[in-house]
Amino acid sequence: NAGVTQTPKFRILKIGQSMTLQCAQDMNHNYMYWYRQDPGMGLKLIYYSVGAGITDKGEVPNGYNVSRSTTEDFPLRLELAAPSQTSVYFCASSGTGWNEQFFGPGTRLTVL
Amino acid sequence: DQQVKQNSPSLSVQEGRISILNCDYTNSMFDYFLWYKKYPAEGPTFLISISSIKDKNEDGRFTVFLNKSAKHLSLHIVPSQPGDSAVYFCAASEMNYGGSQGNLIFGKGTKLSVKP
Repeated sequence: NAGVTQTPKFRILKIGQSMTLQCAQDMNHNYMYWYRQDPGMGLKLIYYSVGAGITDKGEVPNGYNVSRSTTEDFPLRLELAAPSQTSVYFCASSGTGWNEQFFGPGTRLTVL
Repeated sequence: DQQVKQNSPSLSVQEGRISILNCDYTNSMFDYFLWYKKYPAEGPTFLISISSIKDKNEDGRFTVFLNKSAKHLSLHIVPSQPGDSAVYFCAASEMNYGGSQGNLIFGKGTKLSVKP
């Protein structure tokens, strides 16, 4: 099992560009999540999904969009990148609810 | 307005001694608490959890204590090892109206350094 995989590992964007952060899991988990972690801060929930076709906003959804067409994949879309979106993004999944989430290695995004 | 607080940004401990990491919370509706460990350039990994119906949960060298009246939990690592050096995040959640557990609220983390 690869667990939760994320691509890319690093990315630099210019203001106004768009990109998609990819996330995939091979554990057949229903729940998937996107978090961001700013320097010196805890993780904040951006979006989550409780199954294919079902997504909902978390604590900090502005500037992001998600889709969940399959159980395995949960991409995060940034449409108009802003410097405030400079952060490390973590994708996670869990099988039975919110607890004991399995995290990917993260994507470090810089917006200049 | 932080609901989960880890007031010590860092902690340094000698190998073999006890490490105690602390976490305070303000939301009395939180009923499930977790600790995650994070190494640099990796995602957090689940370490141990505790439900509010318990006051202690133990897993090998790791024990979590919960004091509901003080809204405080702590993670004890005994004995500490250099491989335990990492950032430790405390997280909490509350039951939804639908009966399922809600989203996790994370603290800012405590960086533990275990010196050989």
